[in-house]
Amino acid sequence: DIRLTQSPSSLSASVGDRVTITCRTSQTVSSFLNWYQQIPGKAPKLLIFGASALQSGVPSRFTGSGSGTYFTLTISSLQPEDFATYYCHQSYNSPDTFGQGTKLEIK
Amino acid sequence: QVQLVQSGGEVKKPGASVKVSCAASGYSFTKYGFNWVRQAPGQGLEWMGWVGSGNGNTDYAQSLQDRVTVTTDTSTRTAYMELRNLTTADTAMYYCARTNSFGGSNRPWYSDSWGQGTLVIVSS
Repeated sequence: DIRLTQSPSSLSASVGDRVTITCRTSQTVSSFLNWYQQIPGKAPKLLIFGASALQSGVPSRFTGSGSGTYFTLTISSLQPEDFATYYCHQSYNSPDTFGQGTKLEIK
Repeated sequence: QVQLVQSGGEVKKPGASVKVSCAASGYSFTKYGFNWVRQAPGQGLEWMGWVGSGNGNTDYAQSLQDRVTVTTDTSTRTAYMELRNLTTADTAMYYCARTNSFGGSNRPWYSDSWGQGTLVIVSS
């Protein structure tokens, strides 16, 4: 199985801050890496697919980059609604696997 | 718009089975597949399996392969996940999610729409 390791596991930041979350995979997934946001009590929501493509309706302050085994999700200017848990996900090889999650909290 | 509506919460005893449904609307059903993902209380996301709506192909997590079956019914535009021989470790929120492939009908894919979740509690 491909292991996905996110860092940090948790992060405190303020509204307006720029934050970056990383996801490393144990094997290459080419550019087939996706990012989801999960607000407590809600289903995950797709933010980025294919490493860098912004899902329709997602604000442009979210950007994804990377390829191979190293990927990043950057939020350029945190808004109050961005405080949530973020997961990376690969479906390049079976089984699908997720990172352990990064919890973004208000400082 | 794309909508996935899951069945209601369930309480089951150990050893029982549960079948969760996911009714889809707003798109061409057979052009997309479904992932099933679960989340134990306070934990991360765990992939359970996938089913292709057009061809009925399936793929399962090895850890659950003997206990889980995912299917679709194209006549009712509904996906199903059945989990058998439940234990307390299966207590979780269960999500269906539409899979949109990067090319063709199989992996790799991304889950672009999710159901609201179905809470399954296993308790004696």
